Amino acid sequence: KAGVTQTPRYLIKTRGQQVTLSCSPISGHRSVSWYQQTPGQGLQFLFEYFSETQRNKGNFPGRFSGRQFSNSRSEMNVSTLELGDSALYLCASSTGGVSTDTQYFGPGTRLTVL
Amino acid sequence: AQKVTQAQTEISVVEKEDVTLDCVYETRDTTYYLFWYKQPPSGELVFLIRRNSFDEQNEISGRYSWNFQKSTSSFNFTITASQVVDSAVYFCALSGKETSGSRLTFGEGTQLTVNP
Repeated sequence: KAGVTQTPRYLIKTRGQQVTLSCSPISGHRSVSWYQQTPGQGLQFLFEYFSETQRNKGNFPGRFSGRQFSNSRSEMNVSTLELGDSALYLCASSTGGVSTDTQYFGPGTRLTVL
Repeated sequence: AQKVTQAQTEISVVEKEDVTLDCVYETRDTTYYLFWYKQPPSGELVFLIRRNSFDEQNEISGRYSWNFQKSTSSFNFTITASQVVDSAVYFCALSGKETSGSRLTFGEGTQLTVNP
């Protein structure tokens, strides 16, 4: 079974631009979660989608948004980029999205904001 | 609120040494799940183990073993006879009803370097 895939793997943007990241979950997984990893803040939860609905949201500004499609693929969008948005963005998928589930992570998208 | 603490920021050992990575957690949930993930330089978080709060049996998988002690809220990870390929950042994580869904609360991570 193929793992979680994320595209693109690397991105360079400038301040003020917007960016869209994509995540394809493991086949059969319906829950997709997004995490931001930075050296200063560590791994922080952004949001979780299940059956095309945002079910859980972390403490991030409204510039961070996401969506999930009927095939469970998910996209994450960051508008009006700031230097502090430079990070590794990790996507994880699980079967039903409850606390009993194990989340499996993709390779991440490394975003650099100049 | 849930919290995971990994007090060891960096550990450096010589190949074949045993090494233990500490993890202490806080949660108000009575049912919760603990995880360990490995992050090699490539960046992907690799799942290692999941343990639920009702199962305090220690687990061994090859050179890896885990010691879950509910009384001290700890879930420590030991690598026996370490190898260079074990070099990575290791994260302990927690999920439970307090945060709903499968949201993970991660510790700060421990950078393990195994020298030849």
